[in-house]
Amino acid sequence: KQEVTQIPAALSVPEGENLVLNCSFTDSAIYNLQWFRQDPGKGLTSLLLIQSSQREQTSGRLNASLDKSSGRSTLYIAASQPGDSATYLCAVSYTGANSKLTFGKGITLSVRP
Amino acid sequence: NAGVTQTPKFRILKIGQSMTLQCTQDMNHNYMYWYRQDPGMGLKLIYYSVGAGITDKGEVPNGYNVSRTTTEDFPLRLELAAPSQTSVYFCASSLAGGPMRQFFGPGTRLTVL
Repeated sequence: KQEVTQIPAALSVPEGENLVLNCSFTDSAIYNLQWFRQDPGKGLTSLLLIQSSQREQTSGRLNASLDKSSGRSTLYIAASQPGDSATYLCAVSYTGANSKLTFGKGITLSVRP
Repeated sequence: NAGVTQTPKFRILKIGQSMTLQCTQDMNHNYMYWYRQDPGMGLKLIYYSVGAGITDKGEVPNGYNVSRTTTEDFPLRLELAAPSQTSVYFCASSLAGGPMRQFFGPGTRLTVL
């Protein structure tokens, strides 16, 4: 069964800290991997998408990496701010699966001022 | 572009009632999806469509029906509402080919009492 795991479920850090959010997946035959942000009571916003042939993607203070062989992805947030507080979800699309996404449960991040 | 829109935003149903959750996208995307999100859980795929007239089951299709008569619209039907269907429902879309990033609507919060 294809599973996506995000541990820990919650994380609290002081403002300004650099942090890494982890995502692991059981099947290495992925098509792409996406990181999403979800604010309380809101929908999902796509942050970064890494295709299976790529190793990393960057957008501003965010950097996502992908290691298919180990079944892992990380989302690096530089110089965290209180506005980064949200739930971050990792989702994997598998080859031949019509782009259906398998989601992790998410990591709820709190950045303390 | 409005992106992906969903109506209603909130709804309370009684057990056994039926309703349709509406989803519309204006990005001319081929693929559309319905997910549900239960508290503390990731999103689970209910149904998806790769184009008008084509739909297929996802991970948790029981108790739901869909249709796709146009490229823009992908309504989700609940025929006999049950308390287990209390959840937040998200519609998403993506463009076939390329990275296939998924864009999400704001969600419909449904409570069945």
